Amino acid sequence: EVQLLESGGGLVQPGGSLRLSCAGSGFTFSNYDMIWVRQAPGKGLEWVSLIRTRDGSAIYADSVKGRFTGSRDNSKNTLWLQMDSLRAEDTALYYCAKTGNNGWYFDYWGQGSLVSVSS
Amino acid sequence: DIQMTQSPSSLSASVGDRVTITCRASQAISNSLAWYQQKPGKAPNLLLYTASRLEGGVPSRFSGSGSGTDYTLTIDSLQPEDFATYYCQQYSTTPLTFGQGTRLEIK
Repeated sequence: EVQLLESGGGLVQPGGSLRLSCAGSGFTFSNYDMIWVRQAPGKGLEWVSLIRTRDGSAIYADSVKGRFTGSRDNSKNTLWLQMDSLRAEDTALYYCAKTGNNGWYFDYWGQGSLVSVSS
Repeated sequence: DIQMTQSPSSLSASVGDRVTITCRASQAISNSLAWYQQKPGKAPNLLLYTASRLEGGVPSRFSGSGSGTDYTLTIDSLQPEDFATYYCQQYSTTPLTFGQGTRLEIK
């Protein structure tokens, strides 16, 4: 059974940092690109970052570029999202998800990790 | 960036109805389209990908069609568990983008 388990969320002040983790199991982690998607309270889904398995390189949404850094360690089946210079508008539930076999759609999702940015 | 526009934004229907949700891309996306269902307090669940391919375990009352810029999700014979919010997502190119969602409510 595929499982994705996020951790690391919490309350942080504007300008602060947090690091989210996502542990994968039940599939060959190194075979798949992985993504982060967020959902602000009561709002829709927003793609944040894609982390390629081939070389660990990451692509970002413009809204987080230069502030967030995605990374992975295939030997640990783990994905991370380092979030710096956090803003109030980054407040959201952050999901990690596994991409599918035929493209960058998302066939398995974690339960989400809540990040709240407030003074 | 490719903009995804879903319609309607909300929809009221009854158990047993057939409903259709539309997603329009701002440029052609070559069937690189997925549909998700999200229930309150839960992560999204993949329903279809490549516009019309049903994900394993998803009931056959869900179907997808379309090409170019225009795509539809159809749910035949609505069941009580289908009342949720639905999102489309294009994966033709980055940035990956979602529609704004369609909230399907019980009439």
